[in-house]
Amino acid sequence: EVQLLESGGGLVQPGGSLRLSCAASGFTFNNYAMSWVRQAPGKGLEWVSAIGGSGGETYYADSVKGRFTISRDNSKNTLYLQMNSLRAEDTATYYCAKESRYCRGSTCYDYFDYWGQGTLVTVSS
Amino acid sequence: QSVLTQPPSVSGAPGQRVTISCTGSSSNIGAGFDVHWYQQLPGTAPKLLIYINNNRPSGVPDRFSGSKSGTSASLAITGLQADDEADYYCQSYDTSLSAHVFGAGTKVTVL
Repeated sequence: EVQLLESGGGLVQPGGSLRLSCAASGFTFNNYAMSWVRQAPGKGLEWVSAIGGSGGETYYADSVKGRFTISRDNSKNTLYLQMNSLRAEDTATYYCAKESRYCRGSTCYDYFDYWGQGTLVTVSS
Repeated sequence: QSVLTQPPSVSGAPGQRVTISCTGSSSNIGAGFDVHWYQQLPGTAPKLLIYINNNRPSGVPDRFSGSKSGTSASLAITGLQADDEADYYCQSYDTSLSAHVFGAGTKVTVL
């Protein structure tokens, strides 16, 4: 059974930093890309960042580029999100999500087939 | 403003059929990127409901179906049940943004 367990959320002041973790189990972690998706209180879903299975490829939404860093430790089956220069608008529940990849010809695509339960990040003074 | 447009809410009586639209543009759905749908029950994490336009993961009832045409996609729920009350999100990829994009979500209410 696939399980994703986020941790590391909490209250942080504007300009501060926080590191989120996502412990994965139930699948061969290094075979799959992973993403972080966030949801502000009462709002919709926003993709934040993704990382390839080996960790060599990383992608970011414009809203977090230059402030957030995604990484993974495949020896620990754990995904991370280092969040710096936090702003009030970063307040959200952060979900880690496993990506499922399929390809047509030379182009591959992803969707999110498993999600963690989320961890709440509140940026406030 | 979401890149993919969904109606904020739809409602129906038990047993009825409801549909949720997801309208994109030439840089996402219209560019050939597939659409996936997620169900978020109150207070829980999203769950994959439909993938690659019209495929159901194991365990998802066949009351849920998806379709895609042109720059839009739709999710249909037939035989509406009380436990279908949830928020539903469409998702695709946008080549202009180089990002996965979601609709703003549609709240389904069972009357």
